[in-house]
Amino acid sequence: DAGVIQSPRHEVTEMGQEVTLRCKPISGHDYLFWYRQTMMRGLELLIYFNNNVPIDDSGMPEDRFSAKMPNASFSTLKIQPSEPRDSAVYFCASSFGGFSYEQYFGPGTRLTVT
Amino acid sequence: TQLLEQSPQFLSIQEGENLTVYCNSSSVFSSLQWYRQEPGEGPVLLVTVVTGGEVKKLKRLTFQFGDARKDSSLHITAAQPGDTGLYLCAGGGYYGGSQGNLIFGKGTKLSVKP
Repeated sequence: DAGVIQSPRHEVTEMGQEVTLRCKPISGHDYLFWYRQTMMRGLELLIYFNNNVPIDDSGMPEDRFSAKMPNASFSTLKIQPSEPRDSAVYFCASSFGGFSYEQYFGPGTRLTVT
Repeated sequence: TQLLEQSPQFLSIQEGENLTVYCNSSSVFSSLQWYRQEPGEGPVLLVTVVTGGEVKKLKRLTFQFGDARKDSSLHITAAQPGDTGLYLCAGGGYYGGSQGNLIFGKGTKLSVKP
């Protein structure tokens, strides 16, 4: 079984550029989550979807961040324009809705904005 | 205010020692998970506990959910260098939380020296 797939694994970009991160959740999972992890703040939830519909985007830092889930097997997180403080590891996770809430994480995208 | 407090933040021990990591909250959770994250990878689910007082064992790891479902502990017996990593607890189904969402602690960074 394939796990959660994220691309790219590493992204280096200059301040002001647009960045798009991609995620393919585990087949059959109906929840998809985007997290950001830094040393200072730990793992922060940015946004999550249920059945392709955004449920809670209160963690999205500002309007420069946007996320979409056009179908059950694909999601994107876009940052436009990017800033150095956006540098972090971004994780996508998916789960099958239910009582236990167990989430399965992808390998992450390490973003560096110079 | 962090909903889930983990302690200690950092732990460095010698191979063969025992250790306990704690995860505490003032909120009640319907389920609690423990994850381990190794450098450059996403968190990997270790265990889920859902019943107050529940104890689960995974080889040398013992997980306990508090009777009131507000806290949890992870005990490692005879730690090995392969246990090195960031241990995260995460709670789901808490009052005021969204359906399907987890709240993560900041983690305990464990280093086991040979």
